[in-house]
Amino acid sequence: DTGVSQNPRHKITKRGQNVTFRCDPISEHNRLYWYRQTLGQGPEFLTYFQNEAQLEKSRLLSDRFSAERPKGSFSTLEIQRTEQGDSAMYLCASSQQDSPIPEAFFGQGTRLTVV
Amino acid sequence: AQKITQTQPGMFVQEKEAVTLDCTYDTSDPSYGLFWYKQPSSGEMIFLIYQGSYDQQNATEGRYSLNFQKARKSANLVISASQLGDSAMYFCAMRGEDDKIIFGKGTRLHILP
Repeated sequence: DTGVSQNPRHKITKRGQNVTFRCDPISEHNRLYWYRQTLGQGPEFLTYFQNEAQLEKSRLLSDRFSAERPKGSFSTLEIQRTEQGDSAMYLCASSQQDSPIPEAFFGQGTRLTVV
Repeated sequence: AQKITQTQPGMFVQEKEAVTLDCTYDTSDPSYGLFWYKQPSSGEMIFLIYQGSYDQQNATEGRYSLNFQKARKSANLVISASQLGDSAMYFCAMRGEDDKIIFGKGTRLHILP
């Protein structure tokens, strides 16, 4: 297993378009997290999953954001009708719930630029 | 609600000196965990150290130690003998009983030669 994988690494889109990002977690991890990070700031929590169940979605997220983890493996994050304010790095992380040290392992992120 | 506060936006430290990065947290969960991550300019998030709320001793990992003061709700990171490669953003994070993980705003550490 090579760790958490995110695709694409970079995405440039026009305002108003829809975009979808994919995250492949470490295979045995049952927890999967999505974060948004802007320059010089900490990762902002978006949502997280236990297997295929979405446990919480940030109240800061508009209805334009949706995430799925259909079979408890990979996850997708979709942003509809993108706005310039959506430009950010989108980070995915996974962890194993019952691990003695339940650290979250991060992917390299998807950098979104909305023009 | 859970909250992580890092009050030092930036710090400058001379190489080989020790440095303490501050972190305070707020939670009503009896069981929780605290993490520190390093993010160099390359952007990757590197896990450094973990402290469980019921751990009796402060966590240590090589040059990193976590000064955990439960009553004060603080979890400061101490880096001993700082190196130029320690220059990066450092984030404190907390995992609650629901396994949700939240991060602070970070501290940018600059190590001066």
